[in-house]
Amino acid sequence: GQNIDQPTEMTATEGAIVQINCTYQTSGFNGLFWYQQHAGEAPTFLSYNVLDGLEEKGRFSSFLSRSKGYSYLLLKELQMKDSASYLCAVRPLVRLSGGYQKVTFGIGTKLQVIP
Amino acid sequence: SQTIHQWPATLVQPVGSPLSLECTVEGTSNPNLYWYRQAAGRGLQLLFYSVGIGQISSEVPQNLSASRPQDRQFILSSKKLLLSDSGFYLCAWSVPGQLGYEQYFGPGTRLTVT
Repeated sequence: GQNIDQPTEMTATEGAIVQINCTYQTSGFNGLFWYQQHAGEAPTFLSYNVLDGLEEKGRFSSFLSRSKGYSYLLLKELQMKDSASYLCAVRPLVRLSGGYQKVTFGIGTKLQVIP
Repeated sequence: SQTIHQWPATLVQPVGSPLSLECTVEGTSNPNLYWYRQAAGRGLQLLFYSVGIGQISSEVPQNLSASRPQDRQFILSSKKLLLSDSGFYLCAWSVPGQLGYEQYFGPGTRLTVT
């Protein structure tokens, strides 16, 4: 099975930098996703990490350490519109009977950006 | 570009009533399609996924069913709703041949069973 842990809530100040951590235990690992979900809306894809290291996409960066079962999402120059939940999701090696490597989502970290 | 539609946006249904939620994708052929439910305080729960017309895989045995009558249409149904079926239902698609890679979600249907 898979287990994903993220902090439930975080608060940060507009213009600052925030790091949202995610730890996972999985029976085989094949990739980690980050999604952003504004309240009442659908999740939107942010990043996908397969190899160790940092990947940067504008103000957002995602880091992965496979040996530690650890990832973080780094948000720079925070804006009010970044207030949302951030979902960490893991893709395992094991396939379901239909061939799908079932992605498991964490509960998400609710980030509040304050002025 | 690809777009995904879901309807209705919100739904209030009594216990024991039937359910039909529809999802359609535009701008791609043979997408992988997924149905999720998100209950308050819980992560996204995969309900069904499909790699093609008529090919449905169920993840959670319960009173829900899914069908894919056309390439880009995915329907979630129930004959008799339970209170525990309340939640935010999300349809998603991913690129053909990339089952399990990044998924693109529809706007969702918020279902309240009373």
